Amino acid sequence: DTGVSQNPRHKITKRGQNVTFRCDPISEHNRLYWYRQTLGQGPEFLTYFQNEAQLEKSRLLSDRFSAERPKGSFSTLEIQRTEQGDSAMYLCASSLGVGSYSSGNTIYFGEGSWLTVV
Amino acid sequence: ELKVEQNPLFLSMQEGKNYTIYCNYSTTSDRLYWYRQDPGKSLESLFVLLSNGAVKQEGRLMASLDTKARLSTLHITAAVHDLSATYFCAVYRLVNYGGSQGNLIFGKGTKLSVKP
Repeated sequence: DTGVSQNPRHKITKRGQNVTFRCDPISEHNRLYWYRQTLGQGPEFLTYFQNEAQLEKSRLLSDRFSAERPKGSFSTLEIQRTEQGDSAMYLCASSLGVGSYSSGNTIYFGEGSWLTVV
Repeated sequence: ELKVEQNPLFLSMQEGKNYTIYCNYSTTSDRLYWYRQDPGKSLESLFVLLSNGAVKQEGRLMASLDTKARLSTLHITAAVHDLSATYFCAVYRLVNYGGSQGNLIFGKGTKLSVKP
């Protein structure tokens, strides 16, 4: 399967601990997105990479959150000093951006990483 | 700030009936996506609508986009139980004018339940 891959799929952590999620996008996709989804809500945008450059960060992304995409391939999302309000599913998505706005490429989502902070 | 509103948020249908889900958005965009999500699962891409008047159909689902009205619809024809899921519309928000950089802003979703 060559879809977007996320690890771990489930993580239970104690409040105050750090957690890191990894996302492997579809091969050759240069755009990578992180979203967060809580129960009964739509996904909320967190951050976006074009290759290795982080081009946009949502105001939702507090100082405790950091995302990297060091070589323009996989990405990590780290949450430091987790709080119960961080409990959610963290979704990664990727797409192939070819510069033209009219290209309208599909944005593919991974299976998500569920975080429970106890 | 771009806002996306879907209605209804909950929809209980009988098999064989038709219905429409509406997606309104607050600022200009001419690219809109529809996704399906099953419980505990990720998002499956259904349609990408790229321009005013775009219409796409797949099986019992048909999506359309009216950029002037800032409205997209997802029409369900002769619903079957397998269509039970949550459906999201997402509007593409450009952040790099002159280019194509942007991200998706989602509605709250419409939870569809199709009953025999």
